[in-house]
Amino acid sequence: GAVVSQHPSRVICKSGTSVKIECRSLDFQATTMFWYRQFPKQSLMLMATSNEGSKATYEQGVEKDKFLINHASLTLSTLTVTSAHPEDSSFYICSAIDRAANEKLFFGSGTQLSVL
Amino acid sequence: QKEVEQDPGPLSVPEGAIVSLNCTYSNSAFQYFMWYRQYSRKGPELLMYTYSSGNKEDGRFTAQVDISSKYISLFIRDSQPSDSATYLCAMSKGTNAGKSTFGDGTTLTVKP
Repeated sequence: GAVVSQHPSRVICKSGTSVKIECRSLDFQATTMFWYRQFPKQSLMLMATSNEGSKATYEQGVEKDKFLINHASLTLSTLTVTSAHPEDSSFYICSAIDRAANEKLFFGSGTQLSVL
Repeated sequence: QKEVEQDPGPLSVPEGAIVSLNCTYSNSAFQYFMWYRQYSRKGPELLMYTYSSGNKEDGRFTAQVDISSKYISLFIRDSQPSDSATYLCAMSKGTNAGKSTFGDGTTLTVKP
């Protein structure tokens, strides 16, 4: 299947700092990528849809100024958590649709963010 | 009430057992159904992808969808310790799988 690479896998930061997470589609072009948040023993919650060359679409309740998304190329989307606070600590996962694979969804390996 | 209900388990079975994982849903607009396997602290991996009612088999895995009952299942035959993971069901109204609604996942342990 298609490969989606996500970095870093784990990051620890101080409260008030910003953290950038990268999501790359390695062997296909992804005009659309998705960002999720997952708390322990809970399901994936869609945060936003990242569209190449245009603004991201955020789900209700997600602060767009706090979670900045940039999708500057067909293979890279970034999520920046700005002015991070301890309540932002979570597991963040990206995904991308491979249109050549019947629109199937492929996930990155996730990023565990811990804000001290 | 959640749109997708999934028993969180945990489910523990001996190696070689047949495992049955299930989800129910309430939204009749769902047409596409997926099962993902997620190892601890990793992203989900797509196992099965089905459209509408019916069965689909892939190796040791069989997915069943019953739209009339709003009930989907994943069967794992000859379970292996490497199958130990959390299994997430997901479903969507259209082909945009990124907008899927996910179950909370069932944690499975296969004991050698």
